[in-house]
Formats: sequence, structure tokens, C-alpha cells
Amino acid sequence: EDKVVQSPLSLVVHEGDTVTLNCSYEVTNFRSLLWYKQEKKAPTFLFMLTSSGIEKKSGRLSSILDKKELFSILNITATQTGDSAVYLCAVEIPRLNYGGSQGNLIFGKGTKLSVKP
Amino acid sequence: DGGITQSPKYLFRKEGQNVTLSCEQNLNHDAMYWYRQDPGQGLRLIYYSHIVNDFQKGDIAEGYSVSREKKESFPLTVTSAQKNPTAFYLCASRRDGWNTEAFFGQGTRLTVV
Repeated sequence: EDKVVQSPLSLVVHEGDTVTLNCSYEVTNFRSLLWYKQEKKAPTFLFMLTSSGIEKKSGRLSSILDKKELFSILNITATQTGDSAVYLCAVEIPRLNYGGSQGNLIFGKGTKLSVKP
Repeated sequence: DGGITQSPKYLFRKEGQNVTLSCEQNLNHDAMYWYRQDPGQGLRLIYYSHIVNDFQKGDIAEGYSVSREKKESFPLTVTSAQKNPTAFYLCASRRDGWNTEAFFGQGTRLTVV
């Protein structure tokens, strides 16, 4: 069974701290791994990772994928209260019984990050 | 502005009633998805569609139904057969092809009263 596991499930830090969120996966035919931030309602896209060892960076956020060990990390440096959110990891896998060029996303349970002032 | 619109934002239903959640996108995306989100459960796939007039069950399709008569629209009906329908429902869409991000609507919070 395909699965995506995120850890920790919740985390409380203080402003200025650096945090590392983890996402491990066991899927057949891995295509890509995506990170999303969900503050209140709609998840917003952060990163898509397809190749091992290539860091994606956006401001204080960065992410990297290890396809050999089947995991990804999301780093947030110098955290701010605005970083408080649920961070979702998703893995794209091929659709069942379909030979086309599209897959579905399997999501982990998310990591709830709370940043205290 | 392109995007995905879900309505209503909040919905209350009496037990035994069917309700339909709306999802419309103007991104010209082929694929559309419905997810259910419960506290501590992440996003679970209910139904998905990659082309008009075709849709497939996800992991938790029991008690739900969908239609895809137009590319832009993918409504979800929560039927009385769904035993625990109170949840947050998210609709998403993606471009065709691999390695494309999903765009989400603002969600509908359904409460059974």
C-alpha cells in the first residue's frame, strides 16, 4: 500500500528558531514530491521535487529530496509567527489502470507548526 | 483571475439529507479532485476525474457521488449513506501531464446537525 508519513505531527518553536520537517514515503513508481502550506483553508504550493540532492529554495524555506532513502525534508530558518501552519507533503503516483501521463497525489497527515513570539 | 471556487464555505445538513458541494475552475485544467480533511488525518482522496464524463473512486468514495459534465465543474454530492460526513472538503485541479502542482479551492466545511 502506498503511503506518505510526516513527522513530527506537531511542533512548537519560538521565533527565530530553525525547524526541519520530515516526509518519508513508500510508493510504487514515484514521480514527484510536493510540499504545501495550509494556514486556514486552501493549501498553497511551496515546492516540487523530482531529483535527489537538488535543493529548492524560496526565502527562508528550503527542501531537498533523497530518492534512495525515500524521504524529503523541509527546512525553515529564522521562523516567524506567520510560518505557523500545517505543512503537507504529497507524493505523485501513477493512476491505477491508466496508461496516460497523469497521476494522483497521496498526502501525509501533515505537520502542525506553531511559532510562538 | 484564474482559480478554483468552492461554494458554499459553510454548509449545515440534517441527517438523512443529500447535499451537493460546488467546485468550479477557470484554469483550463483537465484533472479535478475531491479531498476530505479531518483533524489529524491529512487529505484523503474521495473522487477524481481526468477528463469530462469520466471519474474514478478514490480511497474513501463510499457515501459520495460526483459528475463531470463540463471541464470546469466537478460537483460532489454527500449522500445520506455517508455515515460521518462532518468534515472539511477541498477541491483541487491540475494540468495534464506529470509533475504538475495541484491548485486548491478555499474548501467547504460541512456540519451535520
